[in-house]
Amino acid sequence: QIVLTQSPAIMSASPGEKVTMTCSASSSISYMHWYQQKPGTSPKRWIYDTSKLASGVPARFSGSGSGTSYSLTISSMEAEDAATYYCHQRSSFTFGSGTKLEIK
Amino acid sequence: EVMLVESGGGLVKPGGSLKLSCAASGFTFSSYAMSWVRQTPEKRLEWVATISSGGSYTYYPDSVKGRFTISRDNAKNTLYLQMSSLRSEDTAMYYCARQGYDGDFDYWGQGTTLTVSS
Repeated sequence: QIVLTQSPAIMSASPGEKVTMTCSASSSISYMHWYQQKPGTSPKRWIYDTSKLASGVPARFSGSGSGTSYSLTISSMEAEDAATYYCHQRSSFTFGSGTKLEIK
Repeated sequence: EVMLVESGGGLVKPGGSLKLSCAASGFTFSSYAMSWVRQTPEKRLEWVATISSGGSYTYYPDSVKGRFTISRDNAKNTLYLQMSSLRSEDTAMYYCARQGYDGDFDYWGQGTTLTVSS
């Protein structure tokens, strides 16, 4: 089973700040998916196949990576981006433990 | 609009059983694999089960294999999860999710809560 490790566990950013969070896989994988979850709601597809934005996701979001190292970047933080982000890989359907992003 | 609506959650004693349902609408249900994913009280997401579009193939992690059974009724556009020999560690919010063609979960329901406690 592939283990996904997300870092940091918690982070905060000011409006306009660039944000980067990472997801490290215990073995090489082909693609990474990301979900956004806000309190009291279900996860939403956010980025799929490493770098494709789901419908409605703002262009300030981007995803990248290969092998065992993947990242989600927000070019300019906005208040609505505060949420928990989970990475996920389809080989063994495992999820990362999440990065909680807060607004300063 | 794709909609997934779970039901059937509740409070169950350890060793008990429960069946969850997920009513799907807004898409051709029989064309998609479907899954159950749970979120623990610690907010950890765990894949629970997947069933192929036609229902012939099912997949489970070791943590639930032999205790949980996923099934579907394509005529009724409904997904099921039969759970037995329930343990306290099965306590979670259970989400029904559509398996996208890219291998991720492209739509999620609102969830139904299972609590296993004496």
